[in-house]
Amino acid sequence: DTEVTQTPKHLVMGMTNKKSLKCEQHMGHRAMYWYKQKAKKPPELMFVYSYEKLSINESVPSRFSPECPNSSLLNLHLHALQPEDSALYLCASSQDNRAVLAFFGQGTRLTVV
Amino acid sequence: GDSVTQMEGPVTLSEEAFLTINCTYTATGYPSLFWYVQYPGEGLQLLLKATKADDKGSNKGFEATYRKETTSFHLEKGSVQVSDSAVYFCALLIQGAQKLVFGQGTRLTINP
Repeated sequence: DTEVTQTPKHLVMGMTNKKSLKCEQHMGHRAMYWYKQKAKKPPELMFVYSYEKLSINESVPSRFSPECPNSSLLNLHLHALQPEDSALYLCASSQDNRAVLAFFGQGTRLTVV
Repeated sequence: GDSVTQMEGPVTLSEEAFLTINCTYTATGYPSLFWYVQYPGEGLQLLLKATKADDKGSNKGFEATYRKETTSFHLEKGSVQVSDSAVYFCALLIQGAQKLVFGQGTRLTINP
């Protein structure tokens, strides 16, 4: 299994909603990442978890809350988002935090209305 | 700071044409260099990589050589196919860091 699986693939939420994005990998990777990609732009790093501990937070607003319950699972909890947060959210994993980042999920396309 | 500059797209070619997508970088350390490809509606896939000067990365007919003297990592393919239509991102990773720095991406369209 060489996949990073993200659910849901599409999500529409209101500005007062609470929702969560989910990411799973079963490759034994110990580093997991959240990226945000706006239309026609490159991905921007949001968070890095290394050995289930948050190691990088790129000054992301607190309405985005990451969680890594175990080494295979990464969540992104969303609350009180703004329309400008609409984007493709990509999860990725690597063997450890210095390894080549080779595996990205297909992303969750989020629309905030 | 560290940065990557790619040729602006979109790039449109006919099938079997020769492809070059230029990429240059600025880095304070000794970066590893990557090309990623993003097909429509999908996440990124690692296409090829090079970790030190003069290394050549290759995959699926694509090649790129790490040129330290010109700080470049241009992507080439001798004969493109319609299925190569995608957005291509050049990226760098500083040794010991966890953060990829991406270029702006180049949209490639191949016409039959």
